[in-house]
Amino acid sequence: GENVEQHPSTLSVQEGDSAVIKCTYSDSASNYFPWYKQELGKGPQLIIDIRSNVGEKKDQRIAVTLNKTAKHFSLHITETQPEDSAVYFCAATSYGGSQGNLIFGKGTKLSVKP
Amino acid sequence: EAGVVQSPRYKIIEKKQPVAFWCNPISGHNTLYWYRQNLGQGPELLIRYENEEAVDDSQLPKDRFSAERLKGVDSTLKIQPAELGDSAVYLCASSLHGNEQYFGPGTRLTVT
Repeated sequence: GENVEQHPSTLSVQEGDSAVIKCTYSDSASNYFPWYKQELGKGPQLIIDIRSNVGEKKDQRIAVTLNKTAKHFSLHITETQPEDSAVYFCAATSYGGSQGNLIFGKGTKLSVKP
Repeated sequence: EAGVVQSPRYKIIEKKQPVAFWCNPISGHNTLYWYRQNLGQGPELLIRYENEEAVDDSQLPKDRFSAERLKGVDSTLKIQPAELGDSAVYLCASSLHGNEQYFGPGTRLTVT
């Protein structure tokens, strides 16, 4: 089955700097890679996702890149703000219907210092 | 549009007692998921429903856990009897035909 590794487990940056979180997956059949942000006491919030037919996707200050050959994908946050502080999870699956279930990484705790 | 609703938000019980969690998915979402999230870990799937059918319950500990989604809308997850190791956050998520999943706030269970 699918296995997702996520690094680093903790990340501390200064406000305004960029943050990068990396994930690797094992199942070459996976074709959908969402990223979730989880604040304390809340459920995971979908912030961006990418499908295997796309190499990069941007949404304002966040972007995700995918390297299918190397089986890794990354989350990039630019111009970080204190409200970006949270735990971020990557996940992988075969997209749509009953083809597969989301397999999550163990999370990255991002701290943005003012 | 209302998000995924879960109740209760917090529950403290003694071991060997029963407990139940309730979830109401986003309106129109036919796929419903129950996850368990242990401290410092990512969510792990317990069961997935397509409408009222449980299509994947391979990770559900069936000796003590049960779930139902009788009318294909809201769902209940039950543990009986609870054990100390069941302390975790139980998350419900929903999606439209297995696409993007949206999570509820979760129920934090503490078993003493």
